[in-house]
Amino acid sequence: GAGVSQSPSNKVTEKGKDVELRCDPISGHTALYWYRQSLGQGLEFLIYFQGNSAPDKSGLPSDRFSAERTGGSVSTLTIQRTQQEDSAVYLCASSLVGFTDTQYFGPGTRLTVL
Amino acid sequence: KQEVTQIPAALSVPEGENLVLNCSFTDSAIYNLQWFRQDPGKGLTSLLLIQSSQREQTSGRLNASLDKSSGRSTLYIAASQPGDSATYLCAVFGNTDKLIFGTGTRLQVFP
Repeated sequence: GAGVSQSPSNKVTEKGKDVELRCDPISGHTALYWYRQSLGQGLEFLIYFQGNSAPDKSGLPSDRFSAERTGGSVSTLTIQRTQQEDSAVYLCASSLVGFTDTQYFGPGTRLTVL
Repeated sequence: KQEVTQIPAALSVPEGENLVLNCSFTDSAIYNLQWFRQDPGKGLTSLLLIQSSQREQTSGRLNASLDKSSGRSTLYIAASQPGDSATYLCAVFGNTDKLIFGTGTRLQVFP
């Protein structure tokens, strides 16, 4: 595709509900990254995929967060039993091979937990 | 633990000025450093990527330098324009499998 796309662009949910955020990377990019940007805070790295595997999941904030990537393309970030502190912009990025390459970011999903 | 700091936190200048944004990092064992810009309500756009073996990279009016041993990078913006107004972020990739971002410099260029 032309760039990284994310859906939905905005998501408002009630505390305790589960949400799924989707990321479509640039075609041919093997590496995919998830970040979180909370209001007034910097960018926080969550997880990255090399192909379909995620070597290090320690960046996920809690066990309510999980991510998967299928077919080496689309990735979903799932947050179970959402809490108000999960409210943030979730950004996805992809790169051709890995961290040594330029990362291209999607527009983000703004998540609001009421 | 790698920490990345950017100075200044905010900058407001008239159009046409040449600017220097600073980024410092505590652990010099990095593989690369990237500069991004972020426009309000949008994702990040990569500006320049400097590998650890490089000293600088240039793209148009932008020039980024890297002094790995001293843990510093600067982003030079020549002849600034109102369209340059954005938040500028630097990020380093080192021994951990993650990109560590700085706190950002919010730039406003007024006509």
